[in-house]
Amino acid sequence: GQQLNQSPQSMFIQEGEDVSMNCTSSSIFNTWLWYKQDPGEGPVLLIALYKAGELTSNGRLTAQFGITRKDSFLNISASIPSDVGIYFCAGRLIQGAQKLVFGQGTRLTINP
Amino acid sequence: SQTIHQWPATLVQPVGSPLSLECTVEGTSNPNLYWYRQAAGRGLQLLFYSVGIGQISSEVPQNLSASRPQDRQFILSSKKLLLSDSGFYLCAWSRILNEQFFGPGTRLTVL
Repeated sequence: GQQLNQSPQSMFIQEGEDVSMNCTSSSIFNTWLWYKQDPGEGPVLLIALYKAGELTSNGRLTAQFGITRKDSFLNISASIPSDVGIYFCAGRLIQGAQKLVFGQGTRLTINP
Repeated sequence: SQTIHQWPATLVQPVGSPLSLECTVEGTSNPNLYWYRQAAGRGLQLLFYSVGIGQISSEVPQNLSASRPQDRQFILSSKKLLLSDSGFYLCAWSRILNEQFFGPGTRLTVL
């Protein structure tokens, strides 16, 4: 089946540093979504992207829909302790559009 | 605004016992509904999804089943739980072709 390769799998950074993570695939997607999951809770939608090349911000978060439609990245600027968690990318394929394909997640740990 | 509820929040069940997890959505009509399972520290595995009452699509062969008896109600069931059914179960809803929104999850431990 279709897969999203999300990297890195984990990140250990200092508070205040910027963070960058990405998802790539061999398939073409028409929607990219980024979620954050806190321990023991459901994922929360951070940013949704619908057009190739689209760059969208949500506070300190910025995400882009790759021009080839096969990748997306998420950046977090000036990280703070509450940014800790697991970040998931998800994509909606043009075919079989009722479902999302999820990446395996990036676990972010911040040292104060 | 829309809200999604799951219960119970946590559940400990013996091997071989039945299971029923419930998910309900408020504030929208005719949503797409989804059941996912998440193993500890891992990604999300889609189990079932439904585009309408009585319409269930199964993604993986397994010990579980799903039903949608009402428009905004989605139930995950098992007749006999296995140890491997332990995990974090998440329900999600979406409008057609739009973002998915997740519930708070149910932590299931099978002993």
